[in-house]
Amino acid sequence: EAQVTQNPRYLITVTGKKLTVTCSQNMNHEYMSWYRQDPGLGLRQIYYSMNVEVTDKGDVPEGYKVSRKEKRNFPLILESPSPNQTSLYFCASTFRQGVNTEAFFGQGTRLTVV
Amino acid sequence: SQQGEEDPQALSIQEGENATMNCSYKTSINNLQWYRQNSGRGLVHLILIRSNEREKHSGRLRVTLDTSKKSSSLLITASRAADTASYFCATQHRISSGSARQLTFGSGTQLTVLP
Repeated sequence: EAQVTQNPRYLITVTGKKLTVTCSQNMNHEYMSWYRQDPGLGLRQIYYSMNVEVTDKGDVPEGYKVSRKEKRNFPLILESPSPNQTSLYFCASTFRQGVNTEAFFGQGTRLTVV
Repeated sequence: SQQGEEDPQALSIQEGENATMNCSYKTSINNLQWYRQNSGRGLVHLILIRSNEREKHSGRLRVTLDTSKKSSSLLITASRAADTASYFCATQHRISSGSARQLTFGSGTQLTVLP
């Protein structure tokens, strides 16, 4: 089954404790991205990757890091989480950017930073 | 930066009625997409309409696009309780570097279909 898998689904952590949210897709997609969703603000893109070893900032990259060492994986790293990073996070993948195709989303990770 | 803005923010209708949601955007686009999100879950793609298309149908969904007004509408006919969800429009446009087309989401319309 074609899917994007995020882990964990729920996470409560303390300020400053490094964490990683994993994302994996099994569709051989080139383009992957991370979004955060906050009430009234819709989804905002954090980082995206056009292919292996190619990443770039989205609209709200501050406080986040990503890596793309393999095509299928695109982890989101919070080196020193702060309470304003409490949010619902989504990973998404697309076959290839630059063509008219849909994005596939993971089920989301609800992060609470206390 | 938010590109699409949905209207209304919330919509409540009776089962069997039609639901219409609107989306406006600011800059030129390559395509516009509609997604559905059940509470706290991931987004699911519903339909994509290209900038050179004016109308598209998929089952009970009808999407229109007016590039001169920079707006789109999503019509769900004969709504069901199971259609209760948030609906987002997303625009795909070329970013300033020219190297990638970003998908930009609006803040969504919460649709409630009452049985």
